[in-house]
Amino acid sequence: KQEVTQIPAALSVPEGENLVLNCSFTDSAIYNLQWFRQDPGKGLTSLLLIQSSQREQTSGRLNASLDKSSGRSTLYIAASQPGDSATYLCAVRTDSWGKLQFGAGTQVVVTP
Amino acid sequence: NAGVTQTPKFQVLKTGQSMTLQCAQDMNHEYMSWYRQDPGMGLRLIHYSVGAGITDQGEVPNGYNVSRSTTEDFPLRLLSAAPSQTSVYFCASSYSGEGAYEQYFGPGTRLTVT
Repeated sequence: KQEVTQIPAALSVPEGENLVLNCSFTDSAIYNLQWFRQDPGKGLTSLLLIQSSQREQTSGRLNASLDKSSGRSTLYIAASQPGDSATYLCAVRTDSWGKLQFGAGTQVVVTP
Repeated sequence: NAGVTQTPKFQVLKTGQSMTLQCAQDMNHEYMSWYRQDPGMGLRLIHYSVGAGITDQGEVPNGYNVSRSTTEDFPLRLLSAAPSQTSVYFCASSYSGEGAYEQYFGPGTRLTVT
């Protein structure tokens, strides 16, 4: 059974520092990996999707890498801002239909 | 284009009551699913559907029922609510296949069972 782990569970950084969020998965047979942001009491907002054949994906200050063979993905957020404070979730797509297996998330606080 | 919509946003039930959480999408996605989110546990898959008339169980299906009569709608039924079903429920949809298909999530339903 696929297991997805996100470490650390919580992270606090001063404004301007770069954020590095980790996601690991136990089975390398994935279709894609998706990073989400969740604000308190809100739904999930998709940030980046990396296909299994890709090594990285970028959008603005966000960059996500994928190393399928080692079962790892990293989300980098450059020059963090207080507005980046949220919980970040990673999820791997485990079949062609669409099933996702989620990590428990990393709660990020960016202090001014 | 409304995306994925869910109703209600909030609900309080008494133990033993039943109710239906509604989910609809307007993107013609084949795949729809229901997750529950509990503190510290991430999202867990309850039931999913790969098309009208086709449903299957996920990781935590007990106490829930689904059906899918149209491509657009995928309601989740709580048969006899229990306090352990207090949670936030999310509906999601996507295209199926091997392409770069994102999952889209609804805003969630926050359910409290007393």
